[in-house]
Amino acid sequence: KAGVTQTPRYLIKTRGQQVTLSCSPISGHRSVSWYQQTPGQGLQFLFEYFSETQRNKGNFPGRFSGRQFSNSRSEMNVSTLELGDSALYLCASSQGKQAHNEQFFGPGTRLTVL
Amino acid sequence: AQKITQTQPGMFVQEKEAVTLDCTYDTSDPSYGLFWYKQPSSGEMIFLIYQGSYDQQNATEGRYSLNFQKARKSANLVISASQLGDSAMYFCAMRSGGSYIPTFGRGTSLIVHP
Repeated sequence: KAGVTQTPRYLIKTRGQQVTLSCSPISGHRSVSWYQQTPGQGLQFLFEYFSETQRNKGNFPGRFSGRQFSNSRSEMNVSTLELGDSALYLCASSQGKQAHNEQFFGPGTRLTVL
Repeated sequence: AQKITQTQPGMFVQEKEAVTLDCTYDTSDPSYGLFWYKQPSSGEMIFLIYQGSYDQQNATEGRYSLNFQKARKSANLVISASQLGDSAMYFCAMRSGGSYIPTFGRGTSLIVHP
């Protein structure tokens, strides 16, 4: 079974621009979560989608948004980029919504904002 | 609110020896799940092991075992027979109750010496 894939792997943008990151979950997984990882804040939950609906949202400004398509693929968008948005963005998929469902992570997209 | 604490920022171990990575947690919910992930320098988070709060026995997965002490609220990861490829960051995480949003610790950097 193919793992979680994320594109692109690396991205360089300038302040004020917007960016869209893509995530393809493991086949059959309906839940996709996004995380931001920085040296200062660690790993922080952004949001989670299940069957095209956002079920959970972390404490991030509205500049961070996402969506999920009918094939469970998900995209995350960040508008009006700030220097502090430089981070590793990780996507994770799981089969369902139960607490014991482990999440499988993709390789991440490393975003650098100049 | 749920909280994960990993007090060891860095650990060193000799190849083939066992090592214990500490994790303490806090939650008021009686139902929760604890996870350990490995993050090599490549960035991808790799799921290692899961322990449910109602599980009677400690979880084991190959060389990984979880020393679950519920009364002390600790969920330490034990890696037996360390290998050079075990060098990575290790994260402890928790989901409690009905919340799907996981909380991650700050991680422990493990270096395995030959």
